[in-house]
Amino acid sequence: EVLLVQSGAEVKKPGESLRISCKGSGYTFTNYWISWVRQMPGKGLEWMGRIRPSDSYTSYSPSFEGRVSISVDKSISTVYLQLSGLKASDTAIYFCATRATVITGFDYWGQGSLITVSS
Amino acid sequence: DIQITQSPSSLSASIGDRVTITCRTSQAINNYLNWYRQRPGKAPDLLIYAASNLHSGVPSRFSGSGSGTDFTLTISSLQPEDFATYYCQQTYIVPQTFGQGTMVEI
Repeated sequence: EVLLVQSGAEVKKPGESLRISCKGSGYTFTNYWISWVRQMPGKGLEWMGRIRPSDSYTSYSPSFEGRVSISVDKSISTVYLQLSGLKASDTAIYFCATRATVITGFDYWGQGSLITVSS
Repeated sequence: DIQITQSPSSLSASIGDRVTITCRTSQAINNYLNWYRQRPGKAPDLLIYAASNLHSGVPSRFSGSGSGTDFTLTISSLQPEDFATYYCQQTYIVPQTFGQGTMVEI
């Protein structure tokens, strides 16, 4: 069974940085890109960026470029999202997602990590 | 970036109704268009990939069509679990983008 398991909820202060993890299992981890998607409270889905675990190649949305970094530790099948300079508007649920059985789209998602940014 | 215009933003329907949701992209995307259903408090579920392909395990009441810049999701007979928010997504070009969402309400 393919699973993406994310780290838990966190509360951060403005200006701090966050790091969320996403651990994959049940499939060949290095074969498929993993993306990060943000969902602000009551709002839609925003694609933030992705990483190719085999060689750590990344691409980012311009909306987040400069503040976001995605990395991978292949030895433990885990991808990380780092976001710096947190603002209250970064309060959101962050999802990791991948495709393992389809030619496009995300057929597997993590459970989401709720990040609250508040002073 | 490729912009997506999804409509309607919300709709009211009844059990058994036929529902149609559309997405229009700002440029042709070679059918790299996917549809998701998101229930409250849950991650999205993939319904349709590459415009018209039903994802494994998804009920046949869901179907997708379209090409070029215009795409449609149809639910042939709405069921209680379908009252949710639906999103389209283009995966043709990075940055990937989502439509604004359609909330289907009772």
